[in-house]
Amino acid sequence: DTGVSQNPRHKITKRGQNVTFRCDPISEHNRLYWYRQTLGQGPEFLTYFQNEAQLEKSRLLSDRFSAERPKGSFSTLEIQRTEQGDSAMYLCASSLAGAASETQYFGPGTRLLVL
Amino acid sequence: AQTVTQSQPEMSVQEAETVTLSCTYDTSESDYYLFWYKQPPSRQMILVIRQEAYKQQNATENRFSVNFQKAAKSFSLKISDSQLGDAAMYFCAYKGGGSNYKLTFGKGTLLTVNP
Repeated sequence: DTGVSQNPRHKITKRGQNVTFRCDPISEHNRLYWYRQTLGQGPEFLTYFQNEAQLEKSRLLSDRFSAERPKGSFSTLEIQRTEQGDSAMYLCASSLAGAASETQYFGPGTRLLVL
Repeated sequence: AQTVTQSQPEMSVQEAETVTLSCTYDTSESDYYLFWYKQPPSRQMILVIRQEAYKQQNATENRFSVNFQKAAKSFSLKISDSQLGDAAMYFCAYKGGGSNYKLTFGKGTLLTVNP
C-alpha cells in the first residue's frame, strides 16, 4: 500500500513564473485535499475534491490558483504569476469517504520558494 | 468558524518520561472528530491518534493517549515512555461532522526529547 506522493518535493522559481504541483493519492481514496503550510504555522485548508468534482475552495485560494483532478485520480495545483508570499509548503492529503473518522493521510509536501 | 488553540509553542521531556501536550478548540457542533498529527523535521505528517466526539472513552494507541473533555472543549495528548523518535512538531486538528471535511489545525507544539 503506497502512501500519498507529491512531486516535485522542492521547487524554486522566480516571481511571476507559473508552477504546477502534482499529488497522487492513496489508490482507493476518493477524497483529495490541498493545504498550505507556512513556517511556524499549522496547515491551512485550500480546497478539496470528491472524485473529480472540486467541492470546496478556501478564501485563501486566489484566482491565481487553480486545482484539478481529472478522472478522479491524481490532482494538480497550479499557481500562476507567483508572488513571494506564495512561498510555503503545499501539502496534499487523501481520505476514503465513509471510512472511520475519514482520516486524512498526508503526502510529504512540495516546498515552494519564490525568489 | 472553528478554531484550534495549542498554547504551548515548545515542550521538552526527558527520554522515558511522560509529557502532555495541550489543545483546546471552539465549536458549536456536537458531532466532530479530533486528531493529533506528528510532523518530524523535514518529514511528512503522520497520524498519531484520533477521537470521535460521540465516544466517551479516551482513545489510546500504544504509548499515546488522549484526555478528551468535551464540555471543556479540551483534547490533550499524553506521550508515555518518551523516545528520541518522538521529537517532532505535533499538531492538533479538528474536523466537523456531516459534509464538513476540511481539517482545522492548531499552530503546533514543538516537542524536544532529551537523552
